[in-house]
Amino acid sequence: DIQMTQSPSTLSASVGDRVTITCRASQSISSWLAWYQQKPGKAPKLLIYKASTLETGVPSRFSGSGSGTQFTLTISSLQPDDFATYYCQQYNSYSRTFGQGTKVEVK
Amino acid sequence: EVRLVESGGGLVQPGQSLSLSCTGSGFTFGDFAINWFRQAPGRGLEWVGFMRREVFGGATDYAASVKGRFTISRDDSKSIVYLQMNSLKTEDTAMYYCSAYRIVAPYFFDYWGQGTLVTVSS
Repeated sequence: DIQMTQSPSTLSASVGDRVTITCRASQSISSWLAWYQQKPGKAPKLLIYKASTLETGVPSRFSGSGSGTQFTLTISSLQPDDFATYYCQQYNSYSRTFGQGTKVEVK
Repeated sequence: EVRLVESGGGLVQPGQSLSLSCTGSGFTFGDFAINWFRQAPGRGLEWVGFMRREVFGGATDYAASVKGRFTISRDDSKSIVYLQMNSLKTEDTAMYYCSAYRIVAPYFFDYWGQGTLVTVSS
């Protein structure tokens, strides 16, 4: 199975900060990577797919990059609504795997 | 409006069975593959299993932790997918989510339900 390693596990930031989350795959997944945002008690929400394509309706402050085994999610200017947990997920294979999650909390 | 609604969760004892349902609306259900995911309390997301579209034979695959105990099936005429869970263990306690997805390059459609809670406890 493909393992996904996400870092950091927790990130303390302030409104307006630039935030970067990293995800590493145990083997090449080309660009078959998605990023999700999850808030407490809610289902995950798709933000980005194919490593860098923004889902319709997602603010442009979110961006994704990378291919192969190294990927990043960047929030250019953190907004109050962005405090949440973020997960990367590979969909290179039928057996999807997620990173461990990054909780973005108020500094 | 696209919707996926899970149902069937509840409290069961270890060793018992439970069947979850996931009903879709607002899209052509049969055009989508289905995943089940789960999230234990306070933990991350875990993939449970997958079912391809019927046009591709409806093949399934499961996480090692549930293989042989869980079974996914679908009835596209009713826009429903099922997760039959047998021999439940306390570690199966989680919120269970279904997801319908389809890749139509360059687009990736990925719809999620709101989840249904399964608690396995004596």
